[in-house]
Amino acid sequence: EVQLVESGGGLVQPGGSLRLSCAASGFTFSSYWMHWVRQAPGKGLVWVSRINSDGSSTSYADSVKGRFTISRDNAKNTLYLQMNSLRAEDTAVYYCARGGQAGYWGQGTLVTVSS
Amino acid sequence: DIVMTQTPLSSPVTLGQPASISCRSSQSLVHSDGNTYLSWLQQRPGQPPRLLIYKISNRFSGVPDRFSGSGAGTDFTLKISRVEAEDVGVYYCMQATQFLTFGQGTRLEIK
Repeated sequence: EVQLVESGGGLVQPGGSLRLSCAASGFTFSSYWMHWVRQAPGKGLVWVSRINSDGSSTSYADSVKGRFTISRDNAKNTLYLQMNSLRAEDTAVYYCARGGQAGYWGQGTLVTVSS
Repeated sequence: DIVMTQTPLSSPVTLGQPASISCRSSQSLVHSDGNTYLSWLQQRPGQPPRLLIYKISNRFSGVPDRFSGSGAGTDFTLKISRVEAEDVGVYYCMQATQFLTFGQGTRLEIK
């Protein structure tokens, strides 16, 4: 069974940092591109970042470029999102999703940026 | 960037009746590999999104056959043949031809 489990969310002050993790199981993690997608409270889905299967290629939404870094450890079957210089508008549930077409999603982890 | 526009944004439906959601993209979703990466997602209240349909009309694993997708180029439709209570939630179209972009979401509710 495919499972994606996000962790690392929490309350952080503006300007602070957090690292999110997405632990994958039930499939060959190293074969799939992965995405991070976020959803602000009561709002729609917004793509954040993606990484290719071996980690050599990454892309970011303009809103997070230069502040967020996506990475992966295929030996640990884990996807990461390093978030720096956090702003109030980064407050959202962050989901990881598998594959170019986002076929499987995790349950999400809530990030709240507030003083 | 590709912009996805859904209509309607809210759809009250009677149980057992059909429902239809439209999605239009700002540019063609035909990828250089010949595929059209248009998907439909369902998000039930308090749940993460779930893939229903991929590449316009392919039902994902475990999706009931009352869900169907159609369309081409820039215009796409999700149809539910007979709405059931468990179908309540928000439906998103999503393009994966160029990164990921989502429609605004359509809230399906029971009359």
